[in-house]
Amino acid sequence: DGGITQSPKYLFRKEGQNVTLSCEQNLNHDAMYWYRQDPGQGLRLIYYSQIVNDFQKGDIAEGYSVSREKKESFPLTVTSAQKNPTAFYLCASSMNFRHRDGYTFGSGTRLTVV
Amino acid sequence: GQNIDQPTEMTATEGAIVQINCTYQTSGFNGLFWYQQHAGEAPTFLSYNVLDGLEEKGRFSSFLSRSKGYSYLLLKELQMKDSASYLCAVSYSGAGSYQLTFGKGTKLSVIP
Repeated sequence: DGGITQSPKYLFRKEGQNVTLSCEQNLNHDAMYWYRQDPGQGLRLIYYSQIVNDFQKGDIAEGYSVSREKKESFPLTVTSAQKNPTAFYLCASSMNFRHRDGYTFGSGTRLTVV
Repeated sequence: GQNIDQPTEMTATEGAIVQINCTYQTSGFNGLFWYQQHAGEAPTFLSYNVLDGLEEKGRFSSFLSRSKGYSYLLLKELQMKDSASYLCAVSYSGAGSYQLTFGKGTKLSVIP
């Protein structure tokens, strides 16, 4: 079955540490996205990538970094510069120019700073 | 820019009908999506509207008026499992592709 996989489901980070969240898709989708979700805030776009080796900042990119070396993979690193990283992180993918299909989402990673 | 408004919370009774409204202002409009999200889970696709009018899919229907920047999601014969957040998302044209902007979601509680 095709899908989008995020790991781990739960992640705990100490203050000052960088952590990397994994996102892998086997849907042959061109574009991939990272969102952050906080209570009452909805989904806020962190980074997106429409093609391999290219990515763009979203609305809240500060303190985060990404790479897109393979079509299937779009890992997100939460750096120590991110002041309030505790949140639910969602990865999504889509096919360019097939907008009526919308996004397919992963099951999310809940990051907690301890 | 893009701005999407929907109510924060709603409560409805099992077996009843509920309508969740969404208003938007956006440029380069390509269509409007509704997603359902249970707590701690991924959003799942419910509907897509690009033309004015009503799209029906089982117990769920979605309506769009592009001239008014308005959509609603109608849920009939409510079941307890319909308790979830419902996200309105507008598709707009980006550079060579498209992107979705999401509203903050409406948390629906279905009570017996």
